[in-house]
Amino acid sequence: DGGITQSPKYLFRKEGQNVTLSCEQNLNHDAMYWYRQDPGQGLRLIYYSQIVNDFQKGDIAEGYSVSREKKESFPLTVTSAQKNPTAFYLCASSREPLAGTETQYFGPGTRLLVL
Amino acid sequence: DQQVKQNSPSLSVQEGRISILNCDYTNSMFDYFLWYKKYPAEGPTFLISISSIKDKNEDGRFTVFLNKSAKHLSLHIVPSQPGDSAVYFCAASVYGTASKLTFGTGTRLQVTL
Repeated sequence: DGGITQSPKYLFRKEGQNVTLSCEQNLNHDAMYWYRQDPGQGLRLIYYSQIVNDFQKGDIAEGYSVSREKKESFPLTVTSAQKNPTAFYLCASSREPLAGTETQYFGPGTRLLVL
Repeated sequence: DQQVKQNSPSLSVQEGRISILNCDYTNSMFDYFLWYKKYPAEGPTFLISISSIKDKNEDGRFTVFLNKSAKHLSLHIVPSQPGDSAVYFCAASVYGTASKLTFGTGTRLQVTL
């Protein structure tokens, strides 16, 4: 059945280490997104991609990188430049990236903790 | 600069009563609004949406009202059930901006027996 999967559920990062969060969707959606949620805050957009091999920075892209080599996959790398990476990371996808009215569907999330 | 605000961090309602969750926005360009429900350690699930050409949209127990002049929307849940206990986020977008959503900070709803 269709949906969005994120792995791992929990991820631990050591100082100076890069880590990659996986996001896969089988909904045949064109657009994919990465958000970050911190306690007591709403979701903030990190990066988004409207089409394969193209992506744009969101509101808080510093310290993160992404790739979109396949339609169904949008991995997020949290680099050592991200000084406060501890958060809950959510991946989402939607069908029509330019419509402005298309609902985004979310994966179950990955919690990243710094050791 | 918080463009979408949910000023009540929490709300407690008795089972069977109406729950009213509020959301205010400052960007007059927003023309599409959504409500999401989120349980702890899970991704948000879509509940209901409304376009700026409407002032009301209903789906079962959930109704969203939009007051464009006041830049205010609300989600009504009638009757409230214990399973509705979750954090509710409102979100807004501008047509033609790649569906970029701006989220509020959320309201935690507790439905008591």
